[in-house]
Amino acid sequence: ETGVTQSPTHLIKTRGQQVTLRCSSQSGHNTVSWYQQALGQGPQFIFQYYREEENGRGNFPPRFSGLQFPNYSSELNVNALELDDSALYLCASSLGNSPLHFGNGTRLTVT
Amino acid sequence: AQSVTQLDSQVPVFEEAPVELRCNYSSSVSVYLFWYVQYPNQGLQLLLKYLSGSTLVESINGFEAEFNKSQTSFHLRKPSVHISDTAEYFCAGENYGGSQGNLIFGKGTKLSVKP
Repeated sequence: ETGVTQSPTHLIKTRGQQVTLRCSSQSGHNTVSWYQQALGQGPQFIFQYYREEENGRGNFPPRFSGLQFPNYSSELNVNALELDDSALYLCASSLGNSPLHFGNGTRLTVT
Repeated sequence: AQSVTQLDSQVPVFEEAPVELRCNYSSSVSVYLFWYVQYPNQGLQLLLKYLSGSTLVESINGFEAEFNKSQTSFHLRKPSVHISDTAEYFCAGENYGGSQGNLIFGKGTKLSVKP
């Protein structure tokens, strides 16, 4: 059974740039949720995708967007990066009522 | 406001001592409650969950948590900790009215087990 994998593991971007983070869900899972974990904080829900549609969104601006593909993998896109976007971005997959299974995250640094 | 509060940011404890990590949730958070553990440079791993039924839930590695509705608490306990339990622990509740997988997390408690 393959777990949740995220790429890249680390990324450095400049303010104003755009970034794409990728996530492969655990085998058999059809739902992907994205979280932002700032330093010293708990994860915050960004949004969730189910069957390629956004299925719930947290308190994040529209420059945070996502996609889910037919194989259930997902992307998180962030436009016009700001310094405060520096964080660990976590992807989690699930199936039905099963608990979330998290990947190891992508560490994004915005300079 | 919907929230999950972890009252201690850091808990140092000696090996083989008991530990309690405290968590309180607001009434607007669903009573689907979770504890996750995060080891350095890793994602979160589910430790245990409360969905319904018995108010005492246990994990395979000796942790347990008790759901207390009257005190809106879901404290995590272990009677005897090991060095390997050193990690950050997050309490979370499902966002009431949100989609499944929309969890509200506390700020975390860093458990440091000393020999």
